[in-house]
Amino acid sequence: NFMLTQPHSVSESPGKTVTISCTGSSGSIASNYVQWYQQRPGSAPTTVIYEDNQRPSGVPDRFSGSIDSSSNSASLTISGLKTEDEADYYCQSYDSSIVVFGGGTKLTVL
Amino acid sequence: EVQLVESGGGLVQPGRSLRLSCAASGFTFDDYAMHWVRQAPGKGLEWVSGISWNSGSIGYADSVKGRFTISRDNAKNSLYLQMNSLRAEDTALYYCAKSPVRTIPYAFDIWGQGTMVTVSS
Repeated sequence: NFMLTQPHSVSESPGKTVTISCTGSSGSIASNYVQWYQQRPGSAPTTVIYEDNQRPSGVPDRFSGSIDSSSNSASLTISGLKTEDEADYYCQSYDSSIVVFGGGTKLTVL
Repeated sequence: EVQLVESGGGLVQPGRSLRLSCAASGFTFDDYAMHWVRQAPGKGLEWVSGISWNSGSIGYADSVKGRFTISRDNAKNSLYLQMNSLRAEDTALYYCAKSPVRTIPYAFDIWGQGTMVTVSS
């Protein structure tokens, strides 16, 4: 079965840049779009990146997404970190008729 | 305002059934696929099931296949999840989520606030 693997946690200081990876287990991650969701404690997820690298309206351009076919991975990069970016981040894609989420990455901004 | 409101959660004994509902408003419901996504306490997101705009395509996670049934009533702008033979591992917050397209699978652009299901004796 297709799986997405994320680091359990990352931490970085305010103002810095952090990148969260999402590695596909098989096939090509570039075959289907990857989305990224932000989930703050006690809240429902919201989309920060859709279709690999598109930002919904209202999401600051500090958030960017990319695909690296050579490593079969997607990445979410957040620049100019703010304390409000502290949250769990999930990558998501799909395969055949199922949807797959990564295990989530806890971002700590300290 | 686009809104999804889940209901029907609660405490249920193992082996029993429960039916979740999701009331949609603020968008043309029958133009989009819909999904259920759950999150066990302290755990990550897990896709449960999805249904296309006209109910022509339906998908389930292996963990619920044969026990859960997704359905929708476009006339009532509502999504449902019939959960049978519930297990302790089904304990989770169940989110209703809207897709930005008609077909499954794809992605989610709008989420409800969730309804909690606790399976325990």
